[in-house]
Amino acid sequence: GENVEQHPSTLSVQEGDSAVIKCTYSDSASNYFPWYKQELGKRPQLIIDIRSNVGEKKDQRIAVTLNKTAKHFSLHITETQPEDSAVYFCAASITPGNTGKLIFGQGTTLQVKP
Amino acid sequence: SAVISQKPSRDICQRGTSLTIQCQVDSQVTMMFWYRQQPGQSLTLIATANQGSEATYESGFVIDKFPISRPNLTFSTLTVSNMSPEDSSIYLCSVEGSVATDTQYFGPGTRLTVL
Repeated sequence: GENVEQHPSTLSVQEGDSAVIKCTYSDSASNYFPWYKQELGKRPQLIIDIRSNVGEKKDQRIAVTLNKTAKHFSLHITETQPEDSAVYFCAASITPGNTGKLIFGQGTTLQVKP
Repeated sequence: SAVISQKPSRDICQRGTSLTIQCQVDSQVTMMFWYRQQPGQSLTLIATANQGSEATYESGFVIDKFPISRPNLTFSTLTVSNMSPEDSSIYLCSVEGSVATDTQYFGPGTRLTVL
């Protein structure tokens, strides 16, 4: 079955710097890759997603890139702010027509220092 | 996105007992799922709650331990049976199909502590 590896497990940056989190997946049939942000004590919130028919997607300070050949995708956060501090999870699934199962990476704890 | 609620938000239970967690959505959704998040860990899919039929369980999870119901397109329950301290986790439901067919949104979670 699908396996998703996420790195690094922790990341500390200065406010204003960029942060990059990387994930690799094993199943070449996976075609949907969401990213979730989870603040302490709260539910995971979808922040951006990408489908396999595109290589990059941006939403303000957040961008995601996908390399299907290498089977990896990355989250890029520019101009980081203290409120970006949270745990970030990548995930992969096969859609449509599948059960919609999301396989999650291990998570990255991002700390943005003011 | 859909508004998702879970009850209870947290509970402390004695070993050997069972707890039923409810997940309610304010609109009809195609898919509903149950995940477990152990302390400091990632999310693991327990099962897919199928409307009107038996749930589909992932490897390592069985119906006798985690019976699931989904009587309609807006409601599901997860029961954690014969609990042990190892069942202490956050249990989250998620839904798919309220906005885009492959986008999942999570409920607020139920924090379970088993003594």
